[in-house]
Amino acid sequence: GQQLNQSPQSMFIQEGEDVSMNCTSSSIFNTWLWYKQDPGEGPVLLIALYKAGELTSNGRLTAQFGITRKDSFLNISASIPSDVGIYFCAGLSSHSGGGADGLTFGKGTHLIIQP
Amino acid sequence: EADIYQTPRYLVIGTGKKITLECSQTMGHDKMYWYQQDPGMELHLIHYSYGVNSTEKGDLSSESTVSRIRTEHFPLTLESARPSHTSQYLCASSEIGHISFGQGTRLTVV
Repeated sequence: GQQLNQSPQSMFIQEGEDVSMNCTSSSIFNTWLWYKQDPGEGPVLLIALYKAGELTSNGRLTAQFGITRKDSFLNISASIPSDVGIYFCAGLSSHSGGGADGLTFGKGTHLIIQP
Repeated sequence: EADIYQTPRYLVIGTGKKITLECSQTMGHDKMYWYQQDPGMELHLIHYSYGVNSTEKGDLSSESTVSRIRTEHFPLTLESARPSHTSQYLCASSEIGHISFGQGTRLTVV
C-alpha cells in the first residue's frame, strides 16, 4: 500500500521558535491534510490542501502542497505552549488500495516545547 | 466540521466481557471509519463503511466487529475483551476532501 514518511518523529524546541515538519511519499496524492492531536483527544483538522503548489495559512500555521504532489510541509511560527501535541499528515489519493478512500496517515510528529 | 460523538470516553473492563463502543454523527455522512491508536503512536484503520449495510475490514486486523444499520450510527463490538485490546479507539466520518474524528474511547482491559 501507499506510505507516507513523516519527519521529524519528534521535536524539542523553545517557546517562540518556528517549527517545520514534512511528509513525503513515492505516491501521488490529490489532497493533503494536516491534523493536530492533543493527549487523550481525537485528531483535529488544521489545514486541507487540494491543489499542487497551494500554500494555505491558518493563523500561525502555514502548509504547502508540493508541486510534485508527493510531499507537503507544515510550518508553525512563533510557537506557544498550546502548540504541544502530535501532528499528523494525511494524503488522499484516487486509489482505494487499503480502504478508506485511499487515505493514508503519516506516523506523526511529536512537538514538545520547552519554556 | 462534522459532529461525531463517541461514548464512553473512558472504559475499564474485565477480561472476557463483551463491550460495544458507540459512535454517532449528525451530518448524514455516508462514510465512517474506526481507527485504533496506542498512546502517542500512529493511527491504524480497523474498519470502515461506505453506507448502510456496508462494512469492510481495514488495514490492521482486529478481533472487533462493526455494524451499520443506520447512517448516523457505527458501533464497534468486542465479543470477549482481552488485555491486548487496551488502546484508544477513534471513530471518524468523512465528507468530500477530509475526514473528521470523534474524541475517542480509551479502553483498558484488566
